Amino acid sequence: DIQMTQSPSSLSASVGDSVTFTCRASQSIGTYVNWYQQKSGKAPKLLIYAASTLQRGVPSRFRGSGSGTDFTLTVTSLQPEDFATYYCQQSFTTLITFGQGTKLEIK
Amino acid sequence: EMLLVESGGGLVQPGGSLRLSCAASGFSITDYYMSWVRQAPGEGLEWVSVIYTGGSTYFAESVRGRFTISRDNPNNTLYLQMNTLKSEDTAVYYCVRDPSMGRGYENFDLWGQGTLVTVSS
Repeated sequence: DIQMTQSPSSLSASVGDSVTFTCRASQSIGTYVNWYQQKSGKAPKLLIYAASTLQRGVPSRFRGSGSGTDFTLTVTSLQPEDFATYYCQQSFTTLITFGQGTKLEIK
Repeated sequence: EMLLVESGGGLVQPGGSLRLSCAASGFSITDYYMSWVRQAPGEGLEWVSVIYTGGSTYFAESVRGRFTISRDNPNNTLYLQMNTLKSEDTAVYYCVRDPSMGRGYENFDLWGQGTLVTVSS
């Protein structure tokens, strides 16, 4: 299976800040990466697919980039509703895997 | 409105069985790849299984041989049959839709609210 490693495991920031989440794949996977946001007690929400394509309805302050093994999700001008846990996911193989998540907390 | 509504979760003893259902509305599940994703308490997300539009099925290694995925096309319902349950299967189980339709870049754009399965004696 392809392992997806996210860093850091948690992050503190303030409203208005910009933050970057990192995801590394255990082998090259092209741009077969998606990003999700999950708030406490809720189902995850798709933010970015194919590494950099913004899902319909997601604010443009979310930006994904990367290819091969290294991927990033950047959120600019953080809003109060952005504090949540973020997961990356690879779909390069049939057996899909997720990263372990990065929790974004308010500083 | 497109919706997925899971049901069938509950408390079951180790070694027992449970069948989860996912009722879809606003779209046809036969037009999409449909998956189950689970999340153990306080843990991250784990993909469990997928059924393709053509009917092919795949499973995570952790559940292969114990779980089966199927669908009832007329009733637009997805199922997950879980047998020989273990304590490590305790999780919220989400039904999810993949809009990629086999074009690659599988992703999950629609999620149900989840149903909790607890495996404990």
